[in-house]
Amino acid sequence: GIQVEQSPPDLILQEGANSTLRCNFSDSVNNLQWFHQNPWGQLINLFYIPSGTKQNGRLSATTVATERYSLLYISSSQTTDSGVYFCAQGGSEKLVFGKGTKLTVNP
Amino acid sequence: EPEVTQTPSHQVTQMGQEVILRCVPISNHLYFYWYRQILGQKVEFLVSFYNNEISEKSEIFDDQFSVERPDGSNFTLKIRSTKLEDSAMYFCASTHSEKWPQHFGDGTRLSIL
Repeated sequence: GIQVEQSPPDLILQEGANSTLRCNFSDSVNNLQWFHQNPWGQLINLFYIPSGTKQNGRLSATTVATERYSLLYISSSQTTDSGVYFCAQGGSEKLVFGKGTKLTVNP
Repeated sequence: EPEVTQTPSHQVTQMGQEVILRCVPISNHLYFYWYRQILGQKVEFLVSFYNNEISEKSEIFDDQFSVERPDGSNFTLKIRSTKLEDSAMYFCASTHSEKWPQHFGDGTRLSIL
């Protein structure tokens, strides 16, 4: 089945720092999504990015489908960026999630 | 922007009781999903639903679970005879005919006592 691996598992930053989160996926059929799970448990959709690069404010994502990885960049991090970031790869019917990267941004 | 709506946000139920979790998908969407996240773990697929029938289900989705689209707007997940290990966050998602991306609701936190 589809395998999704995320790194690092934990990341602690000072406010204002930049970071890069990585997602490796196993399947060549790729419908990749990035999510942010906030402290209340809500899953916020950040990007749908099967290939290429997208930007939304301080966040951007790049997926290189041929090499089966995706990167999420967070610039000038803020305390509100804290939470768990999940990537998920879509197969025929379902999304398969990675275990997430827990990000803590300290003031 | 249209949203997937889930109710209730938190449900507390005694073990052995039946519970129904409700979802209102985005109105023009055709594919519907339920996912589960046990506290501290990753999000896991439960079931997908299209054209009034289950299109795929995971090993987790056993006879204890059922899904229904009782009318044109609601999509429900029923758990019969709940167990302690059913305690989790349950997410509903929907997509239009393109299937991707999936749009998620805010989740229902289910606590079994």
